[in-house]
This record gives sequence, C-alpha cells and structure tokens, in this order.
Amino acid sequence: GAVVSQHPSRVICKSGTSVKIECRSLDFQATTMFWYRQFPKQSLMLMATSNEGSKATYEQGVEKDKFLINHASLTLSTLTVTSAHPEDSSFYICSARDSWADYGYTFGSGTRLTVV
Amino acid sequence: QKEVEQDPGPLSVPEGAIVSLNCTYSNSAFQYFMWYRQYSRKGPELLMYTYSSGNKEDGRFTAQVDKSSKYISLFIRDSQPSDSATYLCAMSPYSSASKIIFGSGTRLSIRP
Repeated sequence: GAVVSQHPSRVICKSGTSVKIECRSLDFQATTMFWYRQFPKQSLMLMATSNEGSKATYEQGVEKDKFLINHASLTLSTLTVTSAHPEDSSFYICSARDSWADYGYTFGSGTRLTVV
Repeated sequence: QKEVEQDPGPLSVPEGAIVSLNCTYSNSAFQYFMWYRQYSRKGPELLMYTYSSGNKEDGRFTAQVDKSSKYISLFIRDSQPSDSATYLCAMSPYSSASKIIFGSGTRLSIRP
C-alpha cells in the first residue's frame, strides 16, 4: 500500500530557530499533500494544502510566513517552522493520496516538535 | 455548528463487546467517508472508507453511511485490547484533491 514517510519523528529546538519537517511519498507520486497540526487529545487541524510546483494554500488563521511549505517534487513536501516559539510546540502530521489507489489519504507518522 | 460532530468519549467496553462509533455531519456535499485509527503519538491509519451511502465490511469492522440522515457509523465486532485507540471519522467532497474534514475523535478503551 501507499506509504508516507515523515522525518524527523521528534525534534527539540531553541526558541527563535527554524525547524524543517519532511514528508515523502515512498511508492507513489503525490501532486497534493496536506499538513495538519494536532494538540494533545484533540483532532487534526488542517494547516495548509501543498501543491507540487505551486504555492501552498493556507487555512484561515495560519501564518504563511511562519509555516513555510515547499512542494518541489511529486514525492516531497517540506514544512519549515520559522522563528519557532514555545506555542508552536505540537504534533505535525502530513498526508498524501495515491491517485491510482482506492480513495483514502495516507498519513505520515507525525513529528513531535518541542520548542524550549 | 461544526461540519463534523463526533462524541469524544472516552468509551470503555469489555473485550469481545461490539463497539459502535458514530459521527454526524452537516455538509451535503460530502461523498467520501473514512474512518481512521490513531494510536498515541502516531499518525492516523486508514481503517475503512466508503463512497456515498451503504455498508462496507472488512473483517471485524463494518462502516455504514446514511446520507439521508447525514450519519455514519463504524462497528467493531469481537473487540480486542489492541483496538484501544482514538478513532477519527473523516469526510470529503468528490474531488480527489479536496481537503478532509475530521471529527474530533473518540477515545476507545477495550478492557481485558
């Protein structure tokens, strides 16, 4: 089945630094990937839709300058949290869909970001 | 009103019981309905998906969609302790590039 690899699984960074999270579709091409954020015991909140070769579409309330998304190839999307602050600490998850497979999005294993 | 409503639980049942998880929604444009299982600190795992109304069965899992009532269900038969997780319903309109709207998730615990 479709596999989405997300790295790193866990990262701790200092306040003010930037962190990059990678999301790769391993055995399929994904023209569209999605980035979610999840707080403890809460559901997934869509942050942005990443489109290969074009600008990402951000959900209302999500700062595009803070959460930079790049989707330079059909198998890789990156999310960069710039000038991270403690309130950015969260669980970030990407997802993608194999257009040739049955409907259903595959999720990465998530990245636990802690900003200290 | 949220587009997708899901009882957050927690729901605790004994091993072997039949579990019923439900979601309601308000957007009649939703065509694809999914159930995901999420273990703690892991990404969601797709369990079932259905298109439009009807039932779908996969092993111990059965998904039901009633579009007229805007109501979907997931049934788990012969529940096992390993089924303990958070279950998220999710839905999307027809377009394959459409974003998914998630329910808040139901925390399920199966007691041995």
